[in-house]
Amino acid sequence: DVKVTQSSRYLVKRTGEKVFLECVQDMDHENMFWYRQDPGLGLRLIYFSYDVKMKEKGDIPEGYSVSREKKERFSLILESASTNQTSMYLCASRLPGQGYEQYFGPGTRLTVT
Amino acid sequence: QQQVKQSPQSLIVQKGGISIINCAYENTAFDYFPWYQQFPGKGPALLIAIRPDVSEKKEGRFTISFNKSAKQFSLHIMDSQPGDSATYFCAASRGNQAGTALIFGKGTTLSVSS
Repeated sequence: DVKVTQSSRYLVKRTGEKVFLECVQDMDHENMFWYRQDPGLGLRLIYFSYDVKMKEKGDIPEGYSVSREKKERFSLILESASTNQTSMYLCASRLPGQGYEQYFGPGTRLTVT
Repeated sequence: QQQVKQSPQSLIVQKGGISIINCAYENTAFDYFPWYQQFPGKGPALLIAIRPDVSEKKEGRFTISFNKSAKQFSLHIMDSQPGDSATYFCAASRGNQAGTALIFGKGTTLSVSS
């Protein structure tokens, strides 16, 4: 059974803190993605990685960075958290190429106060 | 050109009715169009997908209709049930490249009343 896990379901951080969101997949997928989900805005792509140590900016990369040292793990880093980064963060993975399902984790609800 | 526009934002349907959600795109290079379903507290999950070489795909009560010339595609849920109440996202992507990401619409919240 495919599985994408995220390190926390809920997280509360203070403005200016460095925040790490971790994502692990057990499907040996090359591609991994980070999205943020906000009401009325849908899912917006922050970063994706098509292989270990490879990364590409998505639509809204400002204020974020990522790390992928191992195939199964993709980390999203908020260098200095701000209140406008309060959101639901979703990680996903898939095999490369068309027609391959993108599997999502359950999400991390991050609140920055 | 990279956008996928989804409507309506919310939808209320009676049990047994037909739910219809529409999406439109601009980029003619898109060649894969999935629909995702998301229940509260869960991540989105693939519901059904279509490629532009067919005009319709049906899986159970769920059907995608695709109009290539109009650059539109829609999800039809027949005999809608309360268990179908969820948020639905259309998406699109192009090519067969290793680094292709899905582009999502803004979502439709469906409520099926019993």
